[in-house]
Amino acid sequence: SQTIHQWPATLVQPVGSPLSLECTVEGTSNPNLYWYRQAAGRGLQLLFYSVGIGQISSEVPQNLSASRPQDRQFILSSKKLLLSDSGFYLCAWTKRELYNEQFFGPGTRLTVL
Amino acid sequence: GDSVTQMEGPVTLSEEACLTINCTYTATGYPSLFWYVQYPGEGLQLLLKATKADDKGSNKGFEATYRKETTSFHLEKGSVQVSDSAVYFCALSDLAGGSYIPTFGRGTSLIVHP
Repeated sequence: SQTIHQWPATLVQPVGSPLSLECTVEGTSNPNLYWYRQAAGRGLQLLFYSVGIGQISSEVPQNLSASRPQDRQFILSSKKLLLSDSGFYLCAWTKRELYNEQFFGPGTRLTVL
Repeated sequence: GDSVTQMEGPVTLSEEACLTINCTYTATGYPSLFWYVQYPGEGLQLLLKATKADDKGSNKGFEATYRKETTSFHLEKGSVQVSDSAVYFCALSDLAGGSYIPTFGRGTSLIVHP
C-alpha cells in the first residue's frame, strides 16, 4: 500500500531563518507531487507541483521554492522566512491518471515568529 | 478556467440532524468530482467520489450525486454525529483542462453539537 510522510510535524522558526520541509511517498512510482499551504481558517493554496524528477511548476510567486531530487521525494524550501509564511503545509500525490484522487500527508504546522 | 463553489460555513448542527453542503462547479471538459474531509490538525482524506453523470458516491453515511445538468455535487448525510465535525472540501479533476492540478473549493466547516 502507498503511504506519504511529511516532516517535521511542527516547526517554530524566527523571521529570516531558512526552511526545509520534506515529503516522501512510498509504495508507488512516478507520482505527481504537490505542495499546498493552508492559512488558518482558509482553503488550500497550491504552491508547487511536479510531474517528474527535477520538474517543478510554481503556482504562486513568493519566497518559497521546491525541489524534487528523487522520484518520490519533494522538498519545500525558503532562504528567509516571512511572518506571512506561517500556516499548515500539506504535501499530496496523485497517480499519473488524471482522474484519480489526491492522497495527502499529515501536514506540517509552521509558525514564524 | 475550472472552478468550484461551495457554501460558506460554518454549518452548525445538532447531533442526528440532516446535513447538506452545496457544491457547484464549472469545468472545461467532463470532470471527476470529489469530496474530501479534513479533521482538526490533520491532512485531507478522500470521503467519496463520482466519475460520471448520475453516479452516486457514498461513504460513512455521506453521499453525493454527480448532476451534470445542474453542475452540482452536493454532500448529504441523514443523521450527523459529533465525530463528523470537520472541514469538507469539494473538488474536481478535469482531464480536458489539460492540467495536472485539481481544483478545490474553499472548504465548509461543519460543527456538530451533542
